[in-house]
Amino acid sequence: GAGVSQSPSNKVTEKGKDVELRCDPISGHTALYWYRQSLGQGLEFLIYFQGNSAPDKSGLPSDRFSAERTGGSVSTLTIQRTQQEDSAVYLCASSSRTRWEQFFGPGTRLTVL
Amino acid sequence: AQRVTQPEKLLSVFKGAPVELKCNYSYSGSPELFWYVQYSRQRLQLLLRHISRESIKGFTADLNKGETSFHLKKPFAQEEDSAMYYCALQETSGSRLTFGEGTQLTVNP
Repeated sequence: GAGVSQSPSNKVTEKGKDVELRCDPISGHTALYWYRQSLGQGLEFLIYFQGNSAPDKSGLPSDRFSAERTGGSVSTLTIQRTQQEDSAVYLCASSSRTRWEQFFGPGTRLTVL
Repeated sequence: AQRVTQPEKLLSVFKGAPVELKCNYSYSGSPELFWYVQYSRQRLQLLLRHISRESIKGFTADLNKGETSFHLKKPFAQEEDSAMYYCALQETSGSRLTFGEGTQLTVNP
């Protein structure tokens, strides 16, 4: 079946602009995760959704970052007033209740000029 | 707080040689440990999980709770093993992953 998909694959924006990154998890997966992969920082956790529970936002680096998950499926990560240090690859992953392996998407490469 | 350390950023071996990628963790409880791999221009994928105790692509990893280590080993490296390897810790099933900084493995012909 189809894996986790993310769009866009690449995004170039100017400092100060807002961006939205989209994640389509594997159908039926109840958990959805966002991570960020950047030089010097490795892979960092951002936010985690599990079913109807309140999301774990403990990894969001500032209040410019937010995410939502609509209908328990698609998720959007929004970064407001982007800064150059936001440049990174943003990864989405999903997992099911019966098997906790996290399946990763291809990522969105964000470049802030 | 939990932490995962991979002391080697770069590791280079020759084809057929043994390889060991080191991973140490700090966590007060009993975490789940994983190795993830990212081949060039491919997405991050699970290589193995300590609970399953299986060997994938000839790789094995043993959890040593006394030394808080989860080193990845393969007796005979192949060129197709060249990739970035991440060790990761999960506090409880389904929770977020805490990753190490990764080790770039290069297997030379």
